Amino acid sequence: GENVEQHPSTLSVQEGDSAVIKCTYSDSASNYFPWYKQELGKGPQLIIDIRSNVGEKKDQRIAVTLNKTAKHFSLHITETQPEDSAVYFCAARPISGYSTLTFGKGTMLLVSP
Amino acid sequence: KAGVTQTPRYLIKTRGQQVTLSCSPISGHRSVSWYQQTPGQGLQFLFEYFSETQRNKGNFPGRFSGRQFSNSRSEMNVSTLELGDSALYLCASSTGQGVSISSEQYFGPGTRLTVT
Repeated sequence: GENVEQHPSTLSVQEGDSAVIKCTYSDSASNYFPWYKQELGKGPQLIIDIRSNVGEKKDQRIAVTLNKTAKHFSLHITETQPEDSAVYFCAARPISGYSTLTFGKGTMLLVSP
Repeated sequence: KAGVTQTPRYLIKTRGQQVTLSCSPISGHRSVSWYQQTPGQGLQFLFEYFSETQRNKGNFPGRFSGRQFSNSRSEMNVSTLELGDSALYLCASSTGQGVSISSEQYFGPGTRLTVT
């Protein structure tokens, strides 16, 4: 089955810096890659996603890139703010997996003022 | 639109008991997926229901089961609870349409289950 590796496990940045979180996946047939943000005491919130026919997608301060050949995708957050502090999860969905997502282990992002 | 709701938010049970958790998806969504979240294993897929049918299942023992009703609301049941079942149980809803086209999944706040 699909396996998703996520790095780093923790990331500390200063407010205003950029943050990058990287994920690799094992199943070359996976075609959908969402990113979730989870704040303490809440469920994961979908923040951005990318499909396998697209190489990059942006939404204001966040962007995701996908390299299908290398089987990795990354989340980029620019101009970080303290409210960006949370745990971020990447996920991959295999083409035959209906709505099943395989998640990375998560990255705890801490943005210091 | 109202988001995904889960009840109860917190539960404390003792070993050997059983528990039922409930999930109401976003209006119009027909797919409900359940995930278990623990510090050690992260988010792990339990099962997915679409139009009252289980169409995908993760690698969990038969003590974990679920069902979906005609209004798309879903329940999951865990029988003969073990200490290791302590976790945050999350449900996610999506339109669930298509096999090759992915629809976005939206999570509820989860039910925190503690087994003592």
